[in-house]
Amino acid sequence: DIQMTQSPSSLSASVGDRVTIACRASQGILNYVAWYQQKPGKVPKLLIYAASTLQSGVPSRFSGSRSGTEFTLTISSLQPEDVATYYCQKYNTAPHTFGQGTKVEIK
Amino acid sequence: QVQLQESGPGLVKPSETLSLTCSVSGGSVSSNAYYWSWIRQPPGKGLEWIGYIYYTGSTNYNPSLKSRVTISVDTSNHQFSLRLSYVTAADTAVYYCARMAYQSYGMDVWGQGSTVTVSS
Repeated sequence: DIQMTQSPSSLSASVGDRVTIACRASQGILNYVAWYQQKPGKVPKLLIYAASTLQSGVPSRFSGSRSGTEFTLTISSLQPEDVATYYCQKYNTAPHTFGQGTKVEIK
Repeated sequence: QVQLQESGPGLVKPSETLSLTCSVSGGSVSSNAYYWSWIRQPPGKGLEWIGYIYYTGSTNYNPSLKSRVTISVDTSNHQFSLRLSYVTAADTAVYYCARMAYQSYGMDVWGQGSTVTVSS
């Protein structure tokens, strides 16, 4: 199976900071990556699909990119409401594996 | 708008079968634009993809669970279901159903989640 290695596992940043979360696939998966946000005690929410396409209604401070097998979720200016755990997911073939998650906190 | 709601027993005994249903309102499980998915999250842990079904009945399962999982769809009652057999404590989790777009594979609508505990 293709593994998705997500890093870091947690981070703490100040309001207004630029935050970057990475996900590396163990093999090529083209652009078949989605990113989800899960706030504490809440249901996951789709942020990005196809590596870089912003889901409707998601703030433009969220963006996604791909370089080879490395995928990145960027929050351009961290806001208090962005405190959450973020997951990448690959979906080129089964299983549609999630990364381990990155917990984002405010410093 | 489309809403999903999971239902089923909150407690299942080891070696028995876990059964959950996801009721779809405001939309149709017969739509050719979506797959219908199940995902789970053990307490304090990350997300695990279980599988999905298309309205035609075509399925795709996580190989790690494939021998124990069955996902089915009931178009007449606007719902789809999950069955997981021979459960153990490791299957204790919040189980989510979700809608996945056929084109993008993004899971854009989720149920609230159903907590299932495996214990005697």
